Amino acid sequence: DTAVSQTPKYLVTQMGNDKSIKCEQNLGHDTMYWYKQDSKKFLKIMFSYNNKELIINETVPNRFSPKSPDKAHLNLHINSLELGDSAVYFCASSQKSGGWTEAFFGQGTRLTVV
Amino acid sequence: GNSVTQMEGPVTLSEEAFLTINCTYTATGYPSLFWYVQYPGEGLQLLLKATKADDKGSNKGFEATYRKETTSFHLEKGSVQVSDSAVYFCALSANTGNQFYFGTGTSLTVIP
Repeated sequence: DTAVSQTPKYLVTQMGNDKSIKCEQNLGHDTMYWYKQDSKKFLKIMFSYNNKELIINETVPNRFSPKSPDKAHLNLHINSLELGDSAVYFCASSQKSGGWTEAFFGQGTRLTVV
Repeated sequence: GNSVTQMEGPVTLSEEAFLTINCTYTATGYPSLFWYVQYPGEGLQLLLKATKADDKGSNKGFEATYRKETTSFHLEKGSVQVSDSAVYFCALSANTGNQFYFGTGTSLTVIP
């Protein structure tokens, strides 16, 4: 039973299109994240939500809009896709209990903009 | 602020060689420290963790000790296998924040 699942796994689309990536976790965690991994494997935090509330919104173009309908879901919508958006996007979740538990990651969505 | 610095790769080792990947951190408060592994085409998986000073995390023959005096969390394995080829990330989570801070990743290739 997958803990953090995101769909789709691969997404190829043309510049200018709008696309969404969905993420769901069944761990009962309060906090969910979106990370972007570039071609050099560097991981950059994009957003963090705690109990459906936006906590972290890093310097990300406003073409990227996260939406958390409930604490088990965090979706990422991207408008007007650009070539530079090509990357692997990871959803993750964690729980604060004393200190933080480890983050659990989804399998990633490889986005290719052509 | 919070940050993680890990040794640059790529690292190439022969099977059964000793592995060390260095990781140092800067943090406010008392962070928890983690090593994650990413196999090709997959997401990140937790390899091991340590939540307080002098804790040793271990898993699958890998070990790392939380050293507060040197702000380090170096990853070691006594004898690597071809199946250990992956990218390894050092990370921290600080009690003061709501995110995980990752190092730049170290690519390891083990050759037979």
